[in-house]
Amino acid sequence: DAGITQSPRHKVTETGTPVTLRCHQTENHRYMYWYRQDPGHGLRLIHYSYGVKDTDKGEVSDGYSVSRSKTEDFLLTLESATSSQTSVYFCAIRGLAVYNEQFFGPGTRLTVL
Amino acid sequence: SQQGEEDPQALSIQEGENATMNCSYKTSINNLQWYRQNSGRGLVHLILIRSNEREKHSGRLRVTLDTSKKSSSLLITASRAADTASYFCATDATGQFYFGTGTSLTVIP
Repeated sequence: DAGITQSPRHKVTETGTPVTLRCHQTENHRYMYWYRQDPGHGLRLIHYSYGVKDTDKGEVSDGYSVSRSKTEDFLLTLESATSSQTSVYFCAIRGLAVYNEQFFGPGTRLTVL
Repeated sequence: SQQGEEDPQALSIQEGENATMNCSYKTSINNLQWYRQNSGRGLVHLILIRSNEREKHSGRLRVTLDTSKKSSSLLITASRAADTASYFCATDATGQFYFGTGTSLTVIP
């Protein structure tokens, strides 16, 4: 593993409640990513960050917000969870070099009832 | 969507056989990467091929890239039961990565 942890690993919540997922890295990588993985869709990018307080939207950003106040932490927030946000969420990091690969965290399984 | 697509969606082979999976994508890229995902785990990087490369090898893995056809293939030779996993291609064009839907490979002992 590339020093990436995600918390919580599992969460069950109810529609309309706020949820925050945390990604923590110990490698001091500049780039961090949040993906969701759903059957038939593969991985889809939600948001990514290219530095502290520097973030941008991905392919499926509606209903999600992110924050990065420290290099090591990238938070994903569902302001008001919906059942369509039931998914497995993966965090990934990437180094500065142009051709660096991504390293993935273990994932968070989120169920919205 | 700029997502790539893998083909086939599922593949079942006997141990020792070769496994080939293909990836097609839609836009110009800087590089293309292949990842493996074991059940319930995160993705693990396997190999990266740059847009100016046509073929690359790493151990039992062989990757080809045809930018004119916007396609790539991953060949796993002499497969093992431990190769059972899902395999994804990912294209990198602007710093964002776009993943395909994956090929589920089952290697039967």
